[in-house]
Parts: sequence; structure tokens; C-alpha cells
Amino acid sequence: QSALTQPASVSGSPGQSITISCTGTWSDIGSFHFVSWHQQHPGKALQLIIYDVDNRPSGVSNRFSGSKSGNTAFLTISGLQAEDEADYYCNSYTPRGSTYVFGTGTTVTVL
Amino acid sequence: EVQVEQSGAELKKPGDSLKISCKHSGPTFDTYWIGWARQMPGKGLEWMGIIHLADHNTKYSPPFQGQVSISADTSVTTAYLQWTSLEASDTAIYYCASAVDGNFYFDVWGPGALVTVSS
Repeated sequence: QSALTQPASVSGSPGQSITISCTGTWSDIGSFHFVSWHQQHPGKALQLIIYDVDNRPSGVSNRFSGSKSGNTAFLTISGLQAEDEADYYCNSYTPRGSTYVFGTGTTVTVL
Repeated sequence: EVQVEQSGAELKKPGDSLKISCKHSGPTFDTYWIGWARQMPGKGLEWMGIIHLADHNTKYSPPFQGQVSISADTSVTTAYLQWTSLEASDTAIYYCASAVDGNFYFDVWGPGALVTVSS
């Protein structure tokens, strides 16, 4: 089962907004509202930052937002801060095996 | 508050067997799925499979079916990931994560367990 496709890297200056795409197929992202996004700082545990496409867990900054169009999901980080430098992974439920599939991961660099 | 605690780093030889654990703690009025994910050195995350802690219903991601075994012991609310014969290519960090049954996202993650397979 193929991973969802993300850009390898995205960069932006402090204060700017960036958007990370996550492209799947009609059978995963296209058919379900079950896309989540995780942040991974080097050597740290993953943190859930978006679930069910566009919901933020309690305690997550409102600078993070999610959306979906067709087979592609998006994570937008507004007001970019140095602490946002990390790897970001999208994740979707997939009926193949009734389990989940990650995206390829995106490294965010704050210039 | 849900927490997951993983067993420590392992150094094994090719052909060895291994079982790593993921201890779950949280409110008992909920039921949970535990997922296992692999991160090979310098690479991205891959789902290996998930298991329901209460009824042990297990689902494997197709690439990992037959390669590993996922199990659970309800009495100690612990999930396990097991290999019968490790290979060097199994060297990776293995993460477990918790999802409340009925949710389709994993909101609590363990710190990861580094497994190194080397002769």
C-alpha cells in the first residue's frame, strides 16, 4: 500500500503562512473524513495537531489548521515560528487492511 | 489521562527473536486501539498494524502481514510487537500509539523503542 504523497520540504520566514499538501486516492482521503496530522521534532514523540481533517486537539495552537479537497488534504501553519521547525506527517484511514497510511513526511524549515 | 509506555532499546543479532511492549494506561470507561508504526533510519513513518486492547481484534498493514505478530494482554493493558527471526533491515525505531475506539486518529504516542539488529 503506497504512502500518501507530501512535499519533501517546505520553508518560510517567521510570520509567514505555509501549506503542506497530502495527496492520496479516492479510496482513502477521497472517501473518508479521517485525515490527521502529526508533528515530530527530532528525537521527540509524535504529537497530534489535527484530526478528522480540520479539528484541533485541546492545547494545540490555532495557528495550525487543516482542510481537504478531493483526494488531497492540507495543513496550513500561519504566523510561522521557529518552534514550528519539525517534520510533519499526514495520516489517513484506509480500507486496505482496515488500517491507516502515513504520508511521506514534510520537513518544515523556518528561514 | 491516557499514557503509553514503551519497553527500552534492544540490540539483537540476525535470526534472534524479539518481543517489545507498549503499556497503556487511561480511563477504563473507554476502550482503545493500539497502533504500531516503524521508522527506519532517516526515513518516514509506516503503519504496521493495530490491535483492540479489549477484544484483540488485529489488523495488519499489507506489507507487514506475516512479517510480525501483534498481540495484547488485557489483564495488564499491554500490547506487543513480536518477531520470530530478525533481519538487519528490521533496524528501526518502533512507536506505539493509542486511539479511543470509535475515533480514527491516534492521539497519544509513546517515545519509541530503538531496535538494532547487527551481527
